[in-house]
Amino acid sequence: EDKVVQSPLSLVVHEGDTVTLNCSYEVTNFRSLLWYKQEKKAPTFLFMLTSSGIEKKSGRLSSILDKKELFSILNITATQTGDSAVYLCALIQGAQKLVFGQGTRLTINP
Amino acid sequence: GAVVSQHPSRVICKSGTSVKIECRSLDFQATTMFWYRQFPKQSLMLMATSNEGSKATYEQGVEKDKFLINHASLTLSTLTVTSAHPEDSSFYICSARKSWLAGGWEGTDTQYFGPGTRLTVL
Repeated sequence: EDKVVQSPLSLVVHEGDTVTLNCSYEVTNFRSLLWYKQEKKAPTFLFMLTSSGIEKKSGRLSSILDKKELFSILNITATQTGDSAVYLCALIQGAQKLVFGQGTRLTINP
Repeated sequence: GAVVSQHPSRVICKSGTSVKIECRSLDFQATTMFWYRQFPKQSLMLMATSNEGSKATYEQGVEKDKFLINHASLTLSTLTVTSAHPEDSSFYICSARKSWLAGGWEGTDTQYFGPGTRLTVL
């Protein structure tokens, strides 16, 4: 059965800290891995990763995929209170369905 | 751009009534749309995949006669919760993926989410 496991499930840090969120997976027909940020409403798209070892970057956020070890990380540097959210990792299989992890609830305290 | 809208954003209804939720891709054509539900503090669960001009594909355990999906155009899919009961109360979210012509390889894999509809059945 296809599986996406995120860790930690919950993380509380101070503003300015750097955080690393993890996503490991088991999937039979991997196509892409996506990261989303969910605040009070629906998820907003952050990154899509298809190839191993190529870092994607957007401002203070970056992400990389390791297809050999079957995991991805999402880094956020110099965190701000506005980064507080649930971060979701999802896989696209061959059937083009998204399989979501449980999410990491990130809280940034001022 | 890739903007997806949902309407209504919130609905409260009595048990036994039917509720229709619309999902629209505003600035791109979406050959495929997806419907999810999310319970508090849980992740998104895929309910069904909606393909323009054909029948929806439902996930295991989702009653197709209860959750009617219509994808009549490249920019609109609707989910109708028929004879709603309190246990149907949830956050319903749609997503859309671009057609190959609009998005290419990467574009068709990325799903863009609507803002969600919170359904409360009394």
